[in-house]
Parts: sequence; C-alpha cells; structure tokens
Amino acid sequence: DAMVIQNPRYQVTQFGKPVTLSCSQTLNHNVMYWYQQKSSQAPKLLFHYYDKDFNNEADTPDNFQSRRPNTSFCFLDIRSPGLGDAAMYLCATSRVSNQPQHFGDGTRLSIL
Amino acid sequence: DQQVKQNSPSLSVQEGRISILNCDYTNSMFDYFLWYKKYPAEGPTFLISISSIKDKNEDGRFTVFLNKSAKHLSLHIVPSQPGDSAVYFCAASVMDSNYQLIWGAGTKLIIKP
Repeated sequence: DAMVIQNPRYQVTQFGKPVTLSCSQTLNHNVMYWYQQKSSQAPKLLFHYYDKDFNNEADTPDNFQSRRPNTSFCFLDIRSPGLGDAAMYLCATSRVSNQPQHFGDGTRLSIL
Repeated sequence: DQQVKQNSPSLSVQEGRISILNCDYTNSMFDYFLWYKKYPAEGPTFLISISSIKDKNEDGRFTVFLNKSAKHLSLHIVPSQPGDSAVYFCAASVMDSNYQLIWGAGTKLIIKP
C-alpha cells in the first residue's frame, strides 16, 4: 500500500541534544509537510516542500530545520531541543497544493 | 487569532444515532474545507472535503454541509458506529494559496453502545 511512514514512532532525547525525525512516502507526491501537534491543540505547520522548494512558516523557530534529499524522503532536524519542543510531529504529503494531505502516524518526541 | 474553531471539545452520541460535528471559521477567503479523523497513536486520516461552490457533499455515512453566510460547516455521521469514536479535525484553506491548511483544535467523538 502506498503510504507515509515516520520513524521512529517514539523518540526520547536530552535537553539540547540534536535529534532528527524522518519521513518517507511511496505516494510520489510533490508536496511534503511537517507539523507539530501538542495535546488538545490543532496541528501547527512548521514548513513544507514543493519538490525541492522549501517554505518556512514565519513563526517556526530557527531551532527547526528540514531537508528533502529526494522526492521520497524528508527530515526534521531539531538542533537544540528544549522542553517546549516535546510534542507529536506529523509528516504529511499531497500531490499538489489543493489536494487532501495524507499523514504518517507521527513521531512522539519526549525531552528529558 | 483562531481562524477555525471547533467549540465542542467532546461529543457523546448513542450508537445508531446521528453525530453532528460543528466548525466555524472567520476568514471569508477560505474556499476549501476538509474533515480529518484521528485515532490515538495514529496520524489524521482524510475523511471528506467540500469546496465553497457547493453547500453539501456526501460520501456514504458522512455528509458535510457548508453555510457560507454563517461561516459554518458541519459533519454529519449517520448512523454512528463504535468505530467512529475518534477526534475529528476541521481544516480550511484558500485553494490558490500557499498550501497552508488552518486547523481547528478537534472534537473528540465518543459513540456509546
């Protein structure tokens, strides 16, 4: 089945220790998104790629970076995680901008 | 400023009855609306959408109604089934915009047997 896969499902890191979350897709979609979701809140878009074009949301902290080395993979790098970065991180894809987004199951990040 | 609001954090409905989930928005530029369903420990799953040129879209047990003058949409599930217990998110966008979906905070639907 075509899908969006996020690894790992659960990630624990130490305060200030860099961490990378990964996302892969077999849908061959052009657009890939990273969202942050905290409990009982709406998902918050961090950034997205349309092919190789990177688009950062204005309020995404500099601490968050992303890489998309090819169509299938996208990475979220958190350079110096703080306690406030503990959240569920969701990756999504869409064929083009105005099509529904398909989500992975997320990575739950905990900060010690 | 919350542009998409789901004012009911939770809703409890008897199995077999109709579930009605509501969503209000403030931005009159929104022209595309979606509903997602999310089970615990899984990502959101797309359920149904509607563009602003329509006022109703139906897919099996799920119907979305859009009232543009009231800036309100609703998702009707009939009949409700135990597997419908989940968190439902409403999202909106401007179709020619920069890809961003604006999300509501979600409504937790509980279907009672």
